[in-house]
This record gives sequence, structure tokens and C-alpha cells, in this order.
Amino acid sequence: NAGVTQTPKFRVLKTGQSMTLLCAQDMNHEYMYWYRQDPGMGLRLIHYSVGEGTTAKGEVPDGYNVSRLKKQNFLLGLESAAPSQTSVYFCASSLPTGVDTQYFGPGTRLTVL
Amino acid sequence: TQLLEQSPQFLSIQEGENLTVYCNSSSVFSSLQWYRQEPGEGPVLLVTVVTGGEVKKLKRLTFQFGDARKDSSLHITAAQPGDTGLYLCAGRPGGAQKLVFGQGTRLTINP
Repeated sequence: NAGVTQTPKFRVLKTGQSMTLLCAQDMNHEYMYWYRQDPGMGLRLIHYSVGEGTTAKGEVPDGYNVSRLKKQNFLLGLESAAPSQTSVYFCASSLPTGVDTQYFGPGTRLTVL
Repeated sequence: TQLLEQSPQFLSIQEGENLTVYCNSSSVFSSLQWYRQEPGEGPVLLVTVVTGGEVKKLKRLTFQFGDARKDSSLHITAAQPGDTGLYLCAGRPGGAQKLVFGQGTRLTINP
């Protein structure tokens, strides 16, 4: 099992460009999440999904869109990148139990110039 | 403002020393988790505590959940260089599905 994988691992964008980050999990988990991690701020939830075809906003959703067309994939899109979106992005997945373990991918380091 | 406040944010100690990291909130959590993250990797779950007053041990690591379920601590005995990393506490306030993370404690153990 690969667990949770993320592509790409690194990306540099110019302000205004768009891109999509791909997250894939092979654990048949219902729930998937996108976080961003910035120095001194821990992990902040951007969007999450409780099942195929459903998404919901997290703590910091502005400037991002997501889609969950297949259970194993969760896409994070930036339509018009801004320098404030420079961050490390983590995807995670979990089972829909009351006390869930979230399994994280290795992260994508995004720099917006 | 952070719903979960961790202290200290940075800690650098010598191998063999003991240390405690704190995770505090004014909110009640149905459970609290501790994750450890190494450079270039995602966080990995260490433990989940669900009952007020609960104590769990993982080798030299001791985790405690406060009686009122508003805080938690991580104590490491005889720290080793392999304990170096970013330690994150996370919880689900009021039983919500979404996890809220503290800002993390960056721990460095010097040989």
C-alpha cells in the first residue's frame, strides 16, 4: 500500500497562475482533507470531503477549490495564485469513525512569486 | 487566535534530559491526539486520548488528557536525538468531525 500520495512535491508559480494539486489514497477511506502548514501556525484545514461527490469548507477556504470525483482522489485547485498562498500543502485521509486517525501525505511545497 | 495553544513553541535540550510539552485550550474536546512530524514528511499519529484524566505511555513518552478534557501534555523521559521533530496536538472541539491543530512544538535533542 502506498498510503496517501501527493503530486507534485514542489512547484513554483507566478502570481495569477493556476494549478491543481492531486491527492490519492489507496486505503478506501471515506474522508479526505486538505491542509496548509505555515511556520508557527500548525496545520489549518482548507477544505474536506466526507465522501465521493461531496466537499465542504474548512477554516481557510478562500482562494481554493476542490473536487472529489472519485473516492480515492481529492483535488485542490488554485485558480489565481497569490503570494499569500505560498505554503506547504498536506492531504490526509481517514475512516469515518468517532476517533479517527488521519493519514497524511508527504506534502507539496508551493511557492508563489 | 489558536483554539489549541502549545507551549513551548521551541525547545532545545541535551540528550538524556526530561521534557514536557503542553497543549491547552478553553474549549472542551471529545478527544485529543498527538502527532509527530519530521522534516519533509507529513505528520504521523502517536496517540489518541479520549477520557478525562487518561494517561497513555508509549515507551519513553507519556501522554495525559486533562480531567476537564481541555488540555493535554506530552512528557518525554531521557530524551534521545531520535526524538527530534515537530510535535503537534490536535483535537475535535465538541465532538466535531474536523480536527483543529495546535501551532506545534519544535523539539531538538542535542547529542
